[in-house]
Amino acid sequence: AQSVAQPEDQVNVAEGNPLTVKCTYSVSGNPYLFWYVQYPNRGLQFLLKYITGDNLVKGSYGFEAEFNKSQTSFHLKKPSALVSDSALYFCAVRDRAGGSYIPTFGRGTSLIVHP
Amino acid sequence: NAGVTQTPKFQVLKTGQSMTLQCAQDMNHEYMSWYRQDPGMGLRLIHYSVGAGITDQGEVPNGYNVSRSTTEDFPLRLLSAAPSQTSVYFCASRGGTGPGELFFGEGSRLTVL
Repeated sequence: AQSVAQPEDQVNVAEGNPLTVKCTYSVSGNPYLFWYVQYPNRGLQFLLKYITGDNLVKGSYGFEAEFNKSQTSFHLKKPSALVSDSALYFCAVRDRAGGSYIPTFGRGTSLIVHP
Repeated sequence: NAGVTQTPKFQVLKTGQSMTLQCAQDMNHEYMSWYRQDPGMGLRLIHYSVGAGITDQGEVPNGYNVSRSTTEDFPLRLLSAAPSQTSVYFCASRGGTGPGELFFGEGSRLTVL
């Protein structure tokens, strides 16, 4: 079984400050990990993914995420937040074992960046 | 580059009516899926397909039917709409079984009165 948790419903940060959106996961094998962003009244857009190799993954719009196997975490980070980063962020996991087609999504974290 | 196209964007139904949400992708993706998004519930998988002629149930399939007669199209049918089916519906696709990301449509907002 696979699962993902986003422990914060909402994250507030001031523009220019660093931001972190947390994600932890559970899989029986090794994970594929993803972050998506959803702007109001839009579909989800892919930000970045971890497959293998370097634990620090860089993605779109200056976002990055760090894979930590021992803590089973994949937190999303950005060094300097923009007001335009305000959106809903989803973490997702797929277990590589068993040829699973289906990702499991977290419940989402609303990021609010204050001017 | 159209990507994943969903129609209609908005729909209002009365309880008991039926309708079909359309989803088409032009990326030759094998995998297609339908999700519903409700406040505080995240994304819940309704049905998915790994290729033409192959469909399977997700987490919340009751009240919905799907078919996959072509690679491009994956319609979602509501047989007898209920107020509990008021939601935003998203279609998503992915190529193959590897570590690729999902491509989402813009969503269809359904209200059942």
